[in-house]
Amino acid sequence: AQSVSQHNHHVILSEAASLELGCNYSYGGTVNLFWYVQYPGQHLQLLLKYFSGDPLVKGIKGFEAEFIKSKFSFNLRKPSVQWSDTAEYFCAVNARSGGYQKVTFGTGTKLQVIP
Amino acid sequence: NAGVTQTPKFQVLKTGQSMTLQCAQDMNHEYMSWYRQDPGMGLRLIHYSVGAGITDQGEVPNGYNVSRSTTEDFPLRLLSAAPSQTSVYFCASSLGGGGNTEAFFGQGTRLTVV
Repeated sequence: AQSVSQHNHHVILSEAASLELGCNYSYGGTVNLFWYVQYPGQHLQLLLKYFSGDPLVKGIKGFEAEFIKSKFSFNLRKPSVQWSDTAEYFCAVNARSGGYQKVTFGTGTKLQVIP
Repeated sequence: NAGVTQTPKFQVLKTGQSMTLQCAQDMNHEYMSWYRQDPGMGLRLIHYSVGAGITDQGEVPNGYNVSRSTTEDFPLRLLSAAPSQTSVYFCASSLGGGGNTEAFFGQGTRLTVV
């Protein structure tokens, strides 16, 4: 069964600090990878996605992520965080399971940015 | 653009009561799913549907039923509510069964079972 691990549960950063959130998955076949963001009191929104091609993908609001197949990782990065980046971030993997595509989410990382 | 619409946004139930969480999408998406979000556990898949008339269980299906009579609607029914079902529920839809499509989420339903 596929699984997704996010090792950082709660991250606190000062504004302008750099961010890297870890995401590792376990699945041997072809995967599609996503990062979603959930701002306080809101629903999940897509931040960025990787399907194929360039393993470095850029998303909205200055976020990027790098797919490293050999490490089964898809870490999220941002060079300089802002207070408005305070949110919960979810990594997700979409892979075929039991004949259907199945999306599995990580447990999430809460990011708190201090002004 | 309505996207994915969930109702109600908030609900309080007594143990043993039943209710239906509504989910509708206007994007003609084939794939719809229900998740519950609990602190420290991320989103866990309850049930999903790959098209009208086709549903299947996710990882935490017990206590919930679904049906998909139309492409647009995917209601989630709680048969006999239990305190363990207190959670935030999200409905999501995506274009098809292929993996290279993003999921669009509803605003969520915060359910409390007392």
